[in-house]
Amino acid sequence: DAGVIQSPRHEVTEMGQEVTLRCKPISGHNSLFWYRQTMMRGLELLIYFNNNVPIDDSGMPEDRFSAKMPNASFSTLKIQPSEPRDSAVYFCASSFGQGSDTQYFGPGTRLTVL
Amino acid sequence: GQSLEQPSEVTAVEGAIVQINCTYQTSGFYGLSWYQQHDGGAPTFLSYNGLDGLEETGRFSSFLSRSDSYGYLLLQELQMKDSASYFCAVHRAPNTGGFKTIFGAGTRLFVKA
Repeated sequence: DAGVIQSPRHEVTEMGQEVTLRCKPISGHNSLFWYRQTMMRGLELLIYFNNNVPIDDSGMPEDRFSAKMPNASFSTLKIQPSEPRDSAVYFCASSFGQGSDTQYFGPGTRLTVL
Repeated sequence: GQSLEQPSEVTAVEGAIVQINCTYQTSGFYGLSWYQQHDGGAPTFLSYNGLDGLEETGRFSSFLSRSDSYGYLLLQELQMKDSASYFCAVHRAPNTGGFKTIFGAGTRLFVKA
Protein backbone atom coordinates (compact mmCIF):
# COMPACT_ATOMS: atom_id res chain seq x y z
CA ASP A 1 0.00 0.00 0.00
CA ALA A 2 1.26 3.50 -0.82
CA GLY A 3 0.22 4.93 2.52
CA VAL A 4 -1.42 8.30 2.95
CA ILE A 5 -0.52 10.63 0.12
CA GLN A 6 -0.37 14.38 0.50
CA SER A 7 0.32 17.11 -2.00
CA PRO A 8 2.04 19.40 -2.34
CA ARG A 9 4.91 18.52 -0.01
CA HIS A 10 5.98 22.14 0.20
CA GLU A 11 4.02 25.29 -0.50
CA VAL A 12 5.24 28.85 -0.37
CA THR A 13 2.67 31.54 -0.96
CA GLU A 14 2.03 35.17 -0.25
CA MET A 15 -0.37 36.52 2.30
CA GLY A 16 -3.88 36.76 0.95
CA GLN A 17 -3.54 33.93 -1.53
CA GLU A 18 -5.71 30.83 -1.50
CA VAL A 19 -3.99 27.60 -0.53
CA THR A 20 -5.36 24.10 -1.17
CA LEU A 21 -3.83 21.05 0.43
CA ARG A 22 -4.74 17.59 -0.81
CA CYS A 23 -4.88 14.17 0.76
CA LYS A 24 -5.52 10.64 -0.41
CA PRO A 25 -6.16 8.27 2.51
CA ILE A 26 -5.25 4.61 2.64
CA SER A 27 -7.75 2.56 0.68
CA GLY A 28 -10.33 0.97 2.96
CA HIS A 29 -9.90 3.47 5.77
CA ASN A 30 -13.09 5.26 6.65
CA SER A 31 -11.78 8.04 8.88
CA LEU A 32 -9.63 10.94 7.79
CA PHE A 33 -8.00 13.56 9.99
CA TRP A 34 -6.37 16.91 9.29
CA TYR A 35 -3.73 18.12 11.77
CA ARG A 36 -1.57 21.21 11.99
CA GLN A 37 1.81 21.16 13.69
CA THR A 38 3.79 24.18 14.87
CA MET A 39 6.50 24.62 17.46
CA MET A 40 4.26 26.85 19.53
CA ARG A 41 1.03 24.86 19.46
CA GLY A 42 2.22 21.33 18.82
CA LEU A 43 0.03 18.87 16.93
CA GLU A 44 -3.55 20.10 16.71
CA LEU A 45 -6.53 18.26 15.28
CA LEU A 46 -8.33 20.57 12.88
CA ILE A 47 -11.14 18.35 11.60
CA TYR A 48 -11.97 14.73 11.05
CA PHE A 49 -14.29 12.89 8.70
CA ASN A 50 -15.92 9.51 9.09
CA ASN A 51 -17.39 7.91 5.98
CA ASN A 52 -16.81 11.24 4.17
CA VAL A 53 -18.92 13.17 6.69
CA PRO A 54 -17.32 15.87 8.89
CA ILE A 55 -17.73 14.73 12.49
CA ASP A 56 -15.76 17.27 14.48
CA ASP A 57 -14.52 20.57 13.08
CA SER A 58 -14.10 22.31 16.41
CA GLY A 59 -10.37 22.59 15.81
CA MET A 60 -10.71 24.61 12.62
CA PRO A 61 -9.22 27.95 13.61
CA GLU A 62 -11.58 30.27 11.78
CA ASP A 63 -13.74 30.76 8.75
CA ARG A 64 -10.71 31.11 6.53
CA PHE A 65 -10.25 27.35 6.84
CA SER A 66 -12.50 24.84 5.14
CA ALA A 67 -12.24 21.13 4.46
CA LYS A 68 -14.08 18.79 2.15
CA MET A 69 -14.17 15.09 1.49
CA PRO A 70 -16.13 14.53 -1.71
CA ASN A 71 -15.40 10.80 -1.79
CA ALA A 72 -13.63 8.10 0.17
CA SER A 73 -10.33 8.60 -1.58
CA PHE A 74 -9.84 12.36 -1.54
CA SER A 75 -9.93 15.31 0.82
CA THR A 76 -8.90 18.94 0.65
CA LEU A 77 -8.05 21.56 3.23
CA LYS A 78 -8.38 25.09 1.94
CA ILE A 79 -7.17 28.34 3.46
CA GLN A 80 -8.56 31.52 1.97
CA PRO A 81 -7.13 34.08 2.45
CA SER A 82 -3.88 32.77 3.88
CA GLU A 83 -1.96 34.63 6.59
CA PRO A 84 1.64 34.33 7.84
CA ARG A 85 0.41 32.74 11.09
CA ASP A 86 -0.93 29.83 9.04
CA SER A 87 2.64 28.75 8.34
CA ALA A 88 2.94 25.21 9.69
CA VAL A 89 3.19 21.58 8.68
CA TYR A 90 -0.22 20.18 7.84
CA PHE A 91 -0.66 16.44 8.22
CA CYS A 92 -3.41 14.26 6.92
CA ALA A 93 -3.99 10.91 8.64
CA SER A 94 -6.38 8.06 8.07
CA SER A 95 -7.60 5.14 10.13
CA PHE A 96 -9.88 2.17 9.76
CA GLY A 97 -12.15 3.38 12.57
CA GLN A 98 -12.71 6.72 14.23
CA GLY A 99 -11.87 5.87 17.83
CA SER A 100 -8.62 4.53 19.06
CA ASP A 101 -7.66 2.87 15.81
CA THR A 102 -4.13 3.50 14.66
CA GLN A 103 -3.84 6.67 12.67
CA TYR A 104 -1.51 6.53 9.69
CA PHE A 105 -0.02 9.89 8.90
CA GLY A 106 0.95 11.23 5.52
CA PRO A 107 4.31 12.94 4.98
CA GLY A 108 2.80 16.37 5.57
CA THR A 109 2.69 19.63 3.65
CA ARG A 110 5.05 22.34 4.84
CA LEU A 111 3.25 25.63 4.26
CA THR A 112 5.01 28.96 4.36
CA VAL A 113 2.96 32.12 4.02
CA LEU A 114 5.08 35.21 3.37
CA GLY B 1 -11.00 21.18 31.69
CA GLN B 2 -8.59 19.06 29.75
CA SER B 3 -4.86 18.73 30.18
CA LEU B 4 -2.16 16.45 28.91
CA GLU B 5 1.34 16.69 30.30
CA GLN B 6 4.60 15.04 29.39
CA PRO B 7 8.21 16.15 29.90
CA SER B 8 9.63 18.36 27.19
CA GLU B 9 13.03 16.65 27.00
CA VAL B 10 14.74 13.48 28.14
CA THR B 11 18.37 12.49 27.61
CA ALA B 12 19.73 8.97 27.96
CA VAL B 13 22.69 6.91 26.81
CA GLU B 14 22.75 4.16 24.25
CA GLY B 15 21.78 0.81 25.72
CA ALA B 16 19.96 2.33 28.66
CA ILE B 17 16.27 2.29 29.58
CA VAL B 18 14.17 5.44 29.55
CA GLN B 19 10.63 6.10 30.72
CA ILE B 20 8.49 8.92 29.34
CA ASN B 21 5.54 9.79 31.53
CA CYS B 22 2.18 11.19 30.52
CA THR B 23 -0.51 12.49 32.83
CA TYR B 24 -3.89 13.54 31.61
CA GLN B 25 -7.12 15.07 32.74
CA THR B 26 -10.10 14.71 30.49
CA SER B 27 -13.69 13.55 30.36
CA GLY B 28 -14.85 10.63 28.27
CA PHE B 29 -11.41 9.02 28.31
CA TYR B 30 -11.13 5.59 26.80
CA GLY B 31 -7.53 5.08 25.73
CA LEU B 32 -3.95 6.32 25.41
CA SER B 33 -1.69 6.01 22.39
CA TRP B 34 1.97 6.75 21.79
CA TYR B 35 3.48 8.06 18.59
CA GLN B 36 7.06 8.61 17.49
CA GLN B 37 8.17 11.43 15.22
CA HIS B 38 11.65 11.92 13.81
CA ASP B 39 12.75 15.38 12.75
CA GLY B 40 11.20 16.24 9.42
CA GLY B 41 9.04 13.13 9.46
CA ALA B 42 5.47 12.23 10.23
CA PRO B 43 4.17 10.76 13.49
CA THR B 44 4.09 6.96 13.48
CA PHE B 45 2.08 4.78 15.81
CA LEU B 46 3.90 2.89 18.56
CA SER B 47 1.32 1.52 20.97
CA TYR B 48 -2.15 1.78 22.44
CA ASN B 49 -3.51 1.11 25.93
CA GLY B 50 -7.25 0.79 26.40
CA LEU B 51 -7.05 -1.16 29.63
CA ASP B 52 -4.89 -0.81 32.72
CA GLY B 53 -1.59 -2.57 32.54
CA LEU B 54 1.44 -3.05 30.39
CA GLU B 55 1.55 -3.57 26.63
CA GLU B 56 4.83 -4.80 25.20
CA THR B 57 6.00 -4.49 21.62
CA GLY B 58 9.61 -5.44 21.19
CA ARG B 59 11.87 -2.90 22.88
CA PHE B 60 8.93 -0.60 23.57
CA SER B 61 6.34 -1.02 26.31
CA SER B 62 3.48 1.20 27.34
CA PHE B 63 1.59 1.31 30.61
CA LEU B 64 -1.74 2.79 31.65
CA SER B 65 -3.36 3.40 35.03
CA ARG B 66 -6.84 4.79 34.58
CA SER B 67 -7.30 5.41 38.30
CA ASP B 68 -4.19 7.59 38.34
CA SER B 69 -4.84 9.18 34.91
CA TYR B 70 -1.28 8.24 34.10
CA GLY B 71 0.64 6.35 31.52
CA TYR B 72 4.19 5.89 30.37
CA LEU B 73 6.25 4.71 27.46
CA LEU B 74 9.26 2.57 28.27
CA LEU B 75 12.08 2.26 25.78
CA GLN B 76 14.68 -0.43 26.44
CA GLU B 77 18.09 -1.06 24.93
CA LEU B 78 18.16 2.46 23.56
CA GLN B 79 19.63 2.99 20.14
CA MET B 80 20.76 6.18 18.47
CA LYS B 81 17.89 5.88 16.02
CA ASP B 82 15.45 6.22 18.94
CA SER B 83 16.34 9.92 19.13
CA ALA B 84 13.01 11.49 18.22
CA SER B 85 9.96 13.15 19.69
CA TYR B 86 7.42 10.97 21.45
CA PHE B 87 3.79 12.01 21.81
CA CYS B 88 1.16 10.62 24.07
CA ALA B 89 -2.35 10.96 22.70
CA VAL B 90 -5.55 10.78 24.65
CA HIS B 91 -8.64 9.30 23.02
CA ARG B 92 -11.95 10.54 24.31
CA ALA B 93 -15.59 10.32 23.47
CA PRO B 94 -17.16 13.74 24.15
CA ASN B 95 -20.75 14.04 25.29
CA THR B 96 -21.39 15.89 22.06
CA GLY B 97 -20.71 12.72 20.13
CA GLY B 98 -17.96 11.46 17.89
CA PHE B 99 -14.46 10.77 19.03
CA LYS B 100 -11.53 13.02 19.69
CA THR B 101 -7.78 12.44 19.77
CA ILE B 102 -5.69 15.00 21.63
CA PHE B 103 -1.91 14.92 21.32
CA GLY B 104 0.46 16.01 24.04
CA ALA B 105 3.19 18.55 23.37
CA GLY B 106 5.74 15.79 22.86
CA THR B 107 8.90 14.67 24.62
CA ARG B 108 12.13 15.09 22.76
CA LEU B 109 14.43 12.14 23.45
CA PHE B 110 18.16 12.55 22.94
CA VAL B 111 20.17 9.32 22.91
CA LYS B 112 23.88 9.79 23.48
CA ALA B 113 26.65 7.38 22.54
